[in-house]
Amino acid sequence: SQQGEEDPQALSIQEGENATMNCSYKTSINNLQWYRQNSGRGLVHLILIRSNEREKHSGRLRVTLDTSKKSSSLLITASRAADTASYFCATDRGSNYKLTFGKGTLLTVNP
Amino acid sequence: GAVVSQHPSRVICKSGTSVKIECRSLDFQATTMFWYRQFPKKSLMLMATSNEGSKATYEQGVEKDKFLINHASLTLSTLTVTSAHPEDSSFYICSARARGGANTEAFFGQGTRLTVV
Repeated sequence: SQQGEEDPQALSIQEGENATMNCSYKTSINNLQWYRQNSGRGLVHLILIRSNEREKHSGRLRVTLDTSKKSSSLLITASRAADTASYFCATDRGSNYKLTFGKGTLLTVNP
Repeated sequence: GAVVSQHPSRVICKSGTSVKIECRSLDFQATTMFWYRQFPKKSLMLMATSNEGSKATYEQGVEKDKFLINHASLTLSTLTVTSAHPEDSSFYICSARARGGANTEAFFGQGTRLTVV
């Protein structure tokens, strides 16, 4: 079953603006991961944050994790048209290495 | 970084025929691979976990006789959609995680667009 829920489901912004996507989940996790998917393609890993971490950065990406609220956020700063894609959070609950994906946020960055 | 190759990227088949999709980890050994199905504008639904040298573990509601999974080596898993019907048309994606997979990323294949006519 899908554990993660992203919001918003769709987000449209102008180039240069920041985009924030949120993810909520229901059970305890080992780590949470964010992935990007261009239309009709496979997924690309963006960032992994462990359950004992609160914030992580990678280039223009910033991810936060609040395990007490069971939520995470992905911030993309200074967005570009090439950032247009669907973004998914995925939770990893541990030993069987399965990832459970949320429903995703479709981000459109207008030039 | 690690690469997972999935083949074919697109396939059209006639109703009643079977289709095989391959998933290869190109530069690492994957004892476990995962097969997902994705409907248009929807999330990924885990179908099964493919275990090298043993039977696959299917998620609830997924017919194992319909979706045959074979993981014969540490670098190859195959998904065969048997007696395909139009409702099996979908986007199928595989992924793999390296050994010691806890707290590691998953690598995804490019996906296979299956159309059953």
